[in-house]
Amino acid sequence: DAKTTQPPSMDCAEGRAANLPCNHSTISGNEYVYWYRQIHSQGPQYIIHGLKNNETNEMASLIITEDRKSSTLILPHATLRDTAVYYCIVRVSSSNTGKLIFGQGTTLQVKP
Amino acid sequence: KAGVTQTPRYLIKTRGQQVTLSCSPISGHRSVSWYQQTPGQGLQFLFEYFSETQRNKGNFPGRFSGRQFSNSRSEMNVSTLELGDSALYLCASSPRLATDTGELFFGEGSRLTVL
Repeated sequence: DAKTTQPPSMDCAEGRAANLPCNHSTISGNEYVYWYRQIHSQGPQYIIHGLKNNETNEMASLIITEDRKSSTLILPHATLRDTAVYYCIVRVSSSNTGKLIFGQGTTLQVKP
Repeated sequence: KAGVTQTPRYLIKTRGQQVTLSCSPISGHRSVSWYQQTPGQGLQFLFEYFSETQRNKGNFPGRFSGRQFSNSRSEMNVSTLELGDSALYLCASSPRLATDTGELFFGEGSRLTVL
């Protein structure tokens, strides 16, 4: 699975969009980009994933660059409850389902 | 539908003892994975079970073991506990070994403290 690079921390004002970047320059053609988040003292929670097209669900949007070397997770209207560590993970979806390689993630602090 | 349930939530052991942690996956899920989370090493994959068979294993010593039962419930065991085994142990389940989404559902974890 390709390695990812994320900034260690970010701040965001409540109600504003939070844009979390992730670099994955060695991503392969069959690897997906996944985002999970972990709120303090809880287990990680799946947010969204994508291959090459932009994706949106009720939680967030995922923007993947055309060359797929980087992506951005967007929380459109951040709330205090979005304060968490956000992990960007690259993996092949159809294999090794239970094995995720977590990096250090980005600690997002949403401030009032 | 109930989520992933891990027991116990908190426990304290002393060096040299052993510990068994339990994980009940979401009903219908057959794949169970275990992770260790520490402040220094972050989240690290331990192993994965599917249909009572270990499918993947992380880079942990043999003191860490696990098993899965026919009802998909899983246990992990750590023998001869060391101070460095103090961690949050997380269990995750998914419907089957390979899925379209690759989404994992995590439990709240079992926090082990070794004194």
